[in-house]
Amino acid sequence: EAGVAQSPRYKIIEKRQSVAFWCNPISGHATLYWYQQILGQGPKLLIQFQNNGVVDDSQLPKDRFSAERLKGVDSTLKIQPAKLEDSAVYLCASSLASSGRGLMSEQFFGPGTRLTVL
Amino acid sequence: AQSVTQPDIHITVSEGASLELRCNYSYGATPYLFWYVQSPGQGLQLLLKYFSGDTLVQGIKGFEAEFKRSQSSFNLRKPSVHWSDAAEYFCAISSASKIIFGSGTRLSIRP
Repeated sequence: EAGVAQSPRYKIIEKRQSVAFWCNPISGHATLYWYQQILGQGPKLLIQFQNNGVVDDSQLPKDRFSAERLKGVDSTLKIQPAKLEDSAVYLCASSLASSGRGLMSEQFFGPGTRLTVL
Repeated sequence: AQSVTQPDIHITVSEGASLELRCNYSYGATPYLFWYVQSPGQGLQLLLKYFSGDTLVQGIKGFEAEFKRSQSSFNLRKPSVHWSDAAEYFCAISSASKIIFGSGTRLSIRP
C-alpha cells in the first residue's frame, strides 16, 4: 500500500515570496491533515479536511496560509507571503475517518516538506 | 486546557540498556494517548495508543507504555534498545477531533 506522498521534500525561499506544498493521501482515506512542525517542537495541526470540507482550521493563520482539497483527494497548502517564522517542516497526514474524538482511525504521516525562509 | 509535557529534551542510553521516556498530560476526562516515533527526514509513525481497558499497552518494535491515571502519566518503555531506535519520540493526546503533541524527546544510542 502506497503511503502519504508529499512534494517537494525541500524548499528554500525568501521572505515575502509565496510557496505551495502538495499532498496525496493514502487511497480511500477521507480525512486529511496538515501540520506545522517547528524545529524542537511537536507538530501543530493547521487544518483538517473531511473529504473536501474543512473540519478544523482554528490554528491556520488565514491572513497568509490557505489550503484546499477540491476533489476530496489530494490537497495543496499555500503560504503567501512567507515570513521568517514560517520556516518549519510541513507534514501531511491522512486517516480513514475522523469520528467523535477523531482518532479511532490511525493517522498516517507523509515524510514532510522542509521549508526554509531566508 | 489539554496539554502534553515531555520533560526530557534529550536522552542518551547505551545499546542493550533499558529505556523509559516520560510523558505527563493534562486533560479533564479519560484521555486517548499515543506515542509516535520520527526518524530523521521521516514522517511520524504510530508506536502505540491507549483508548481504554488494560493500562499496559503493547506496541510495535518492542515498545510498551503504561497509563497511570493517578500520576497523569503515559511513559514509554523498552527493555533493551537497539541502535535503530535512535529517533525523536512524541507523546500525544487526543482532544476533540485533533491530536496535541508534546515537544518530543530525542533519543541517542551509545554504542
